[in-house]
Amino acid sequence: DIVMTQSPDSLPVSLGERATINCKSSQSLLSISNNKNCLAWYQHTPGQPPKLLIHWASTRASGVPDRFSGSGSGTDFTLTISSLQAEDVAVYYCQQYCNTPPHTFGQGTKLEIK
Amino acid sequence: EVQLLESGGGLVQPGGSLRLSCAASGFTYRNYAMSWVRQAPGKGLEWVSTINGGGSTTYYADSVKGRFTISKDNSKMTLFLEMNSLRAEDTAIYYCANTGEGSYYRWFDPWGQGTLVTVSS
Repeated sequence: DIVMTQSPDSLPVSLGERATINCKSSQSLLSISNNKNCLAWYQHTPGQPPKLLIHWASTRASGVPDRFSGSGSGTDFTLTISSLQAEDVAVYYCQQYCNTPPHTFGQGTKLEIK
Repeated sequence: EVQLLESGGGLVQPGGSLRLSCAASGFTYRNYAMSWVRQAPGKGLEWVSTINGGGSTTYYADSVKGRFTISKDNSKMTLFLEMNSLRAEDTAIYYCANTGEGSYYRWFDPWGQGTLVTVSS
């Protein structure tokens, strides 16, 4: 099974500053069939279901503000929030969805206001 | 609008059983692969199980294999998770999510609101 490891576990960032969350997979997530990385990012706030932010490593989901961006390829990926807003406080998860399940999640990164 | 609504959670004793349901609306449900994901108290998201669009192929996390059964009734646009031999460590919020089409699996979107399962004596 592919293991997903996020860093850091907790990230304090000042409002208006950049937040960067890393995700590393134990195997390459680059799909040979379409040359895209099968990596998604989710935002999870208490009392709400997880919300899809990014898929194919860098494609923003519908309605997601453009301050959220995803990058990376192969085994190393990054979620960047260009200017942190108060409503961005949440736990963020990466997930690989390559081929058939299990489609594993990272352990999560708790983003908070410094 | 695509909507998923879970039900069936509750308090159950260790060793007991529970059946979760996830009712879908707003999309061509019969074609879609679906999954269950859980979050235990203070823990992260854990993938539990996935079923393909036709309902013929299923996958399970090692932690639930042999105890949980995923199924879907396409005529009723409903996903199920039959949970047997429940343990304290199965205590979690259980979410259903749309996972792809047919046997083509992708990111999870949308998600239901979740249903709480508590296993305790």
